[in-house]
Amino acid sequence: GAVVSQHPSRVICKSGTSVKIECRSLDFQATTMFWYRQFPKKSLMLMATSNEGSKATYEQGVEKDKFLINHASLTLSTLTVTSAHPEDSSFYICSAIAGQNSPLHFGNGTRLTVT
Amino acid sequence: RKEVEQDPGPFNVPEGATVAFNCTYSNSASQSFFWYRQDCRKEPKLLMSVYSSGNEDGRFTAQLNRASQYISLLIRDSKLSDSATYLCVVARSGYSTLTFGKGTMLLVSP
Repeated sequence: GAVVSQHPSRVICKSGTSVKIECRSLDFQATTMFWYRQFPKKSLMLMATSNEGSKATYEQGVEKDKFLINHASLTLSTLTVTSAHPEDSSFYICSAIAGQNSPLHFGNGTRLTVT
Repeated sequence: RKEVEQDPGPFNVPEGATVAFNCTYSNSASQSFFWYRQDCRKEPKLLMSVYSSGNEDGRFTAQLNRASQYISLLIRDSKLSDSATYLCVVARSGYSTLTFGKGTMLLVSP
């Protein structure tokens, strides 16, 4: 089945540094990828929709300058958390779809801890 | 009314029991529906898509009721390994809007 790989699975960084998270579709071309964050015991919150070759569409309340998304190819999207702060500590998950109305396939998530 | 609502549970059931969850959605333009399962501190994994005619996969049955705007998930013969949080996902055409329920926690005990 379709597989989405996300890397790294866990990262600890110091406040003020930037962290890049990669999301790759391994056996299909993903024209659209999604980025979410999840706080403990809460549901997934969509942060942005990333379309290959165009700017990402951010959800209301998500700072585009803080969460930089690049979708340069049909198999790779990256999320960069810039100038990370402790409140950015969270579980970040990407997902991708192979085509319209196909189900979402999720990456394994990245647990970010900012100290 | 929230766009997607689920009873958070937890639903505590013994092994072998049958349990059902519902998920209501408010937007009639919603077109695609899915059930995902999420284990603690893990990413969600697709359990099954929900089709208009209803669909079954082993012990799991999913149904869609467009008139009443809800989807359901029925789990028969519960196993300990079914313990997880079950998320419903509602999407509009082309995933222009994607909404997750908060999830329903299921705990299956011996």
